[in-house]
Amino acid sequence: AIQLTQSPSSLSASVGDRVTITCRASQGISSALAWYQQKPGKAPKLLIYDASSLESGVPSRFSGSGSGTDFTLTISSLQPEDFATYYCQQFNSYITFGQGTRLEIK
Amino acid sequence: QVQLQQSGPGLVKPSQTLSLTCAISGDSVSSNSAAWNWIRQSPSRGLEWLGRTYYRSKWYNDYAVSVKSRITINPDTSKNQFSLQLNSVTPEDTAVYYCSGSYYDILTGYYNFDYWGQGTLVTVSS
Repeated sequence: AIQLTQSPSSLSASVGDRVTITCRASQGISSALAWYQQKPGKAPKLLIYDASSLESGVPSRFSGSGSGTDFTLTISSLQPEDFATYYCQQFNSYITFGQGTRLEIK
Repeated sequence: QVQLQQSGPGLVKPSQTLSLTCAISGDSVSSNSAAWNWIRQSPSRGLEWLGRTYYRSKWYNDYAVSVKSRITINPDTSKNQFSLQLNSVTPEDTAVYYCSGSYYDILTGYYNFDYWGQGTLVTVSS
């Protein structure tokens, strides 16, 4: 099974900061990667699909990049509502998720 | 707008069968562009995709290797819903279970997990 490794596992940042989260796949997955945001007690919410396409309704401060094995999610200017846990997901071969990155307020 | 409403017991005894249902509104379980998934989340296993059912002139199922011997996902066209059955549960199956609808994107060739149920905490305990 394809494994996804996210880094960092947790991150402290301030409102207005630029933040980057990395997801590395154990083998090449082309652009078959999505990013989700999850808040406590809620289901994950799709942010980015096809590695770099912004889901409808998601603010443009979110962006994704990468292909093959290395991917990034960037939040250009953190807003208070962005403090949450972020997951990557691959669907090149079955479906697996990264272990998550918890984004906390500094 | 698709909405998914989950139902089922929150407590299951070890060795018994976990059963959950996901009712779909805003689309059909027989949609030719959707797949209907079950995913679970626990502190020890994180987010884990369990399997899906979908209709493309006939019904198909895909299951995760980790649960393949114990899982069944069935569509119910009369009620426009789909279900999860997980047999022979142990405490390791304790998790929040989500149903999700994923839609085929013709431009990318991938399925996007656009819609999720509210989640059901299932505890396996005697």
